[in-house]
Amino acid sequence: RKEVEQDPGPFNVPEGATVAFNCTYSNSASQSFFWYRQDCRKEPKLLMSVYSSGNEDGRFTAQLNRASQYISLLIRDSKLSDSATYLCVVNLYTGANNLFFGTGTRLTVIP
Amino acid sequence: EAQVTQNPRYLITVTGKKLTVTCSQNMNHEYMSWYRQDPGLGLRQIYYSMNVEATDKGDVPEGYKVSRKEKRNFPLILESPSPNQTSLYFCASSKLAGGQETQYFGPGTRLLVL
Repeated sequence: RKEVEQDPGPFNVPEGATVAFNCTYSNSASQSFFWYRQDCRKEPKLLMSVYSSGNEDGRFTAQLNRASQYISLLIRDSKLSDSATYLCVVNLYTGANNLFFGTGTRLTVIP
Repeated sequence: EAQVTQNPRYLITVTGKKLTVTCSQNMNHEYMSWYRQDPGLGLRQIYYSMNVEATDKGDVPEGYKVSRKEKRNFPLILESPSPNQTSLYFCASSKLAGGQETQYFGPGTRLLVL
């Protein structure tokens, strides 16, 4: 069983749409959670950390449900520039970073 | 500019020919790591380093070596590359390990082993 599982998509949505991605993780001892964005053939970059109380950054909202072991990312008012692959990342910190990456969910925003 | 650099960016080699991929960061980060990214498998950690002269295996260390003689550099060595090491490799660094530390990734190295 994979440590982190994501729906690979692709998600094709029109500009202005709201889209949500979910991710589940298998280890309940996981300590920190993130969403990274990866553009085609580029390196991953931090989009946002995910906190237990949920957090928002502009059009992006992240939620964490520790009881169900899932993480979500909501993108409102999608822009063409949001087209990318979104990686769910979990840190099972064991004295050193023990990062587990989902395989990513691909989003294409259509004009 | 704060960054992680990797060289080379693209490499084609043959089975058994030793190669080194360099990684350097200018942010005085203590923690550095190497990942490989393969379709359908996501990023997987190869090796990591908590600080100078402190390295340890990640999830997929077989066939790789690393060293951390200086804080800024963390080269990845393939002593005898094989075709199953064809992949996209990323070096990453963070100030510390754990918590909500952001990982900063290098631009990636595409390796093809024939």
